[in-house]
Amino acid sequence: AQSVTQLDSQVPVFEEAPVELRCNYSSSVSVYLFWYVQYPNQGLQLLLKYLSGSTLVKGINGFEAEFNKSQTSFHLRKPSVHISDTAEYFCAVTLRGDYKLSFGAGTTVTVRA
Amino acid sequence: DVKVTQSSRYLVKRTGEKVFLECVQDMDHENMFWYRQDPGLGLRLIYFSYDVKMKEKGDIPEGYSVSREKKERFSLILESASTNQTSMYLCASSFDASGTYLPYEQYFGPGTRLTVT
Repeated sequence: AQSVTQLDSQVPVFEEAPVELRCNYSSSVSVYLFWYVQYPNQGLQLLLKYLSGSTLVKGINGFEAEFNKSQTSFHLRKPSVHISDTAEYFCAVTLRGDYKLSFGAGTTVTVRA
Repeated sequence: DVKVTQSSRYLVKRTGEKVFLECVQDMDHENMFWYRQDPGLGLRLIYFSYDVKMKEKGDIPEGYSVSREKKERFSLILESASTNQTSMYLCASSFDASGTYLPYEQYFGPGTRLTVT
């Protein structure tokens, strides 16, 4: 099974500042990569996904992520955060041909005014 | 829009009780999943089902069972609840045969926060 490491458990950030959430996965031949967001008291919502093609993936709410095969990383970024971005963010991976996801431990982002 | 609903948002049960958590999806998805979410551990897969009456164990199946009698409904059963099963439980679904939804793109319900006392 794949393993996913999210390197930061808590990320405090000021409003309008940039944020980067780091994610590394265990090496494999072909993987699909995902970022999900969980707002307080809600289920998970897909933020963006990498399946193939361009290594820079754009998602909803101004987020983007870059797939780096040599570093086995899939870091999430946003150039300017809002208070409403306060949430927990999960990185997930699956092998091509599989349908089970392996999730990281999550990163809690707290945006302050 | 895909909708995944869970029968309760909050549930309090006593040790030793039999507990049923229900999940219903409305998009004719083939695959359904049960996860538990604990702080610092992320989501861990308990069981999943890829067809009616079919099930497979996930990473942490001990103390749980599941039932899928109809395609849209997937139930998680705690035969004898224990305090270490206090957690947030999330249901998810994916993939329809027509190909509208991809097998690895999961849609989640709002979760059930279970407390066992």
